[in-house]
Amino acid sequence: EVQLVESGGGLAQPGVSLRLSCAASGFDFSLSDMHWVRQYEGKRLEWVATIGSGDDTYYPDSVKGRFTMSRENAKNSLSLQMNSLRVEDTAVYYCVREGTNWAFENWGQGTTVIVSS
Amino acid sequence: EIVMTQSPGTLSVSPGERATLSCRASQSINSNLAWYQQKPGQAPRLLIYGASTRATGIPVRFSGSGSGTDFTLTISSLQSGDFAVYYCQQYNNRPYTFGQGAKLEIK
Repeated sequence: EVQLVESGGGLAQPGVSLRLSCAASGFDFSLSDMHWVRQYEGKRLEWVATIGSGDDTYYPDSVKGRFTMSRENAKNSLSLQMNSLRVEDTAVYYCVREGTNWAFENWGQGTTVIVSS
Repeated sequence: EIVMTQSPGTLSVSPGERATLSCRASQSINSNLAWYQQKPGQAPRLLIYGASTRATGIPVRFSGSGSGTDFTLTISSLQSGDFAVYYCQQYNNRPYTFGQGAKLEIK
């Protein structure tokens, strides 16, 4: 069974950094493309980052230059380093596994990030 | 960026009836469209990928259709557990984008 468990969320002030982690199990992690997706309180979903099996990374403009996604295949883990946090980064952050069908097949339970002064 | 627009925003349907949700892309996404279901307090769950293929374990009452820019999710004979929020998503181009969501509520 695929399991994705996020951690690292919390309350942060604008401008500071936070690092999210995702522990993966139940599938061949090293072969999977992985994503972070966030959901705002109003329920809108936004893709945040992608890392391919070859460590290639992609980001939308809203986080490019501030967020960095990385993976450690030996530990079946993902990280999202979030720098220069903004109030508008407040959301629930999900770790997502991409299926062989390219859709977002498996989701973690999410971790909440609140950016507020 | 491809904008995904869902309609209606809220749909009220009685159990046992059929529900039809629409999703339109601002440009062609071929068949690279997925549908997700989200219940309160839970993460989204993949229902449909490739516009029309049910994900593993998804009941046959869920069906998807369309290609290019116009897509439909149909749920035949609604059950109580089907009342939720539904999102469409395109994965044809980065940035991957989602629709704003459509709430399916009990009439």
